[in-house]
Formats: sequence, structure tokens, C-alpha cells
Amino acid sequence: DTAVSQTPKYLVTQMGNDKSIKCEQNLGHDTMYWYKQDSKKFLKIMFSYNNKELIINETVPNRFSPKSPDKAHLNLHINSLELGDSAVYFCASERREHNEQFFGPGTRLTVL
Amino acid sequence: KNQVEQSPQSLIILEGKNCTLQCNYTVSPFSNLRWYKQDTGRGPVSLTIMTFSENTKSNGRYTATLDADTKQSSLHITASQLSDSASYICVVSLNYGGSQGNLIFGKGTKLSVKP
Repeated sequence: DTAVSQTPKYLVTQMGNDKSIKCEQNLGHDTMYWYKQDSKKFLKIMFSYNNKELIINETVPNRFSPKSPDKAHLNLHINSLELGDSAVYFCASERREHNEQFFGPGTRLTVL
Repeated sequence: KNQVEQSPQSLIILEGKNCTLQCNYTVSPFSNLRWYKQDTGRGPVSLTIMTFSENTKSNGRYTATLDADTKQSSLHITASQLSDSASYICVVSLNYGGSQGNLIFGKGTKLSVKP
């Protein structure tokens, strides 16, 4: 009965590889987000999708591409991984008028 | 520049004691202010959400206050427990044309409750 789930929980990969992180929510929310939390624990918003439309893109490199096959899923694909991409990535979802986000457990990405 | 600043950066208190965390923001146009608790290795969990017209909101032992005039918020934790050890993040939402806009995150206060 997990509300927001992410897979995988841990991801270790080499520089230059392409990887994807999946996110699913079963709350019926219409907005989903991707965040990056760096080693200093600072959360930064990367993308927001509302009803499958991108509404925020916080100057993230175009190596990062969100893909939303439906309202319940927002996947994050990363091309040509770099050392600086190492971080914890959080997915979140929200019903816009309720102003409350529910976060997933995070995916710890380590680029070697 | 839209910013959210939190203090202190870290705090250690004894179990059973009260504490207050601060959040100052320079965000406009303001929509709402949220406090999140993030346990180590987990995603943030919402504690309170306050709009412009609300100046206090409680969630159990957590009480948040908001002064929209001075652009300050505080999170007061009463009778702290070991499980309160976590990072507490203040987030301010910008209001663009009535729709949910950007979120500005503070860097968090790391609270450690010792027995």
C-alpha cells in the first residue's frame, strides 16, 4: 500500500552510462515531481509534471529527461552519467489544490 | 532573490526538552509555507502547511507559526522524543497566477535528541 514508490533504491554505475529511475504513485494525484538531494542534504526541484505535461524545468542539463507514460508514473532517464550526478533522487506527488506533497523513499545514485 | 534561510543549522537537545527552529524567507509572491521532517535515509514527510492568512498550525507535538509581515516562521517541538531526531526543512511555495508554482527549499535544521 506504498503511496509513492521508487525503483531502484540504490544504483551504482560507471561514468558515461545511461540509467533510469522509476516512480509510481497510487494516490490519484495529478502532479508529480523529481528532486535531487546533494551531499549537503539540500533538496532541489528538477521537474514537475501536471497531467502528463511538464510545468517546471529548473535548468537541469538535458542529459536528464523525465518521461510520464501516465498520471501515475514519472520516470527519470539520465544519459551520459557524470560524477556530479551522484546524489539521492526523490520522486514526489501532489494533488495541486491540496498543497501537500508525498515523497518517495529516494534512490541513491552513485556514479564511479 | 527568492530565498529560504533556516537556523540553526544543527541542534542537539535532551529528550523531553522543547526546542524551536527558525525559518526566514524572502519569497514573492507567497503562496504557502510548509515544514517537512526528513528522517535519515528517507523522503521528507509533511508536518504542516500554512497559507498567508494562517499564523499557527499544530500537528501533535509540532506547532508551526507564521508571521507574513516579517516573513518568518518557526517550528516548535514540545517534549522532544528520540524519534524527533531528523532534519526539518522549511519550504515556501511561490504563487503564479493562482496555480501551484515553484517551491523554494531551505537547507534544513538537523535536530539530534539525546537520551
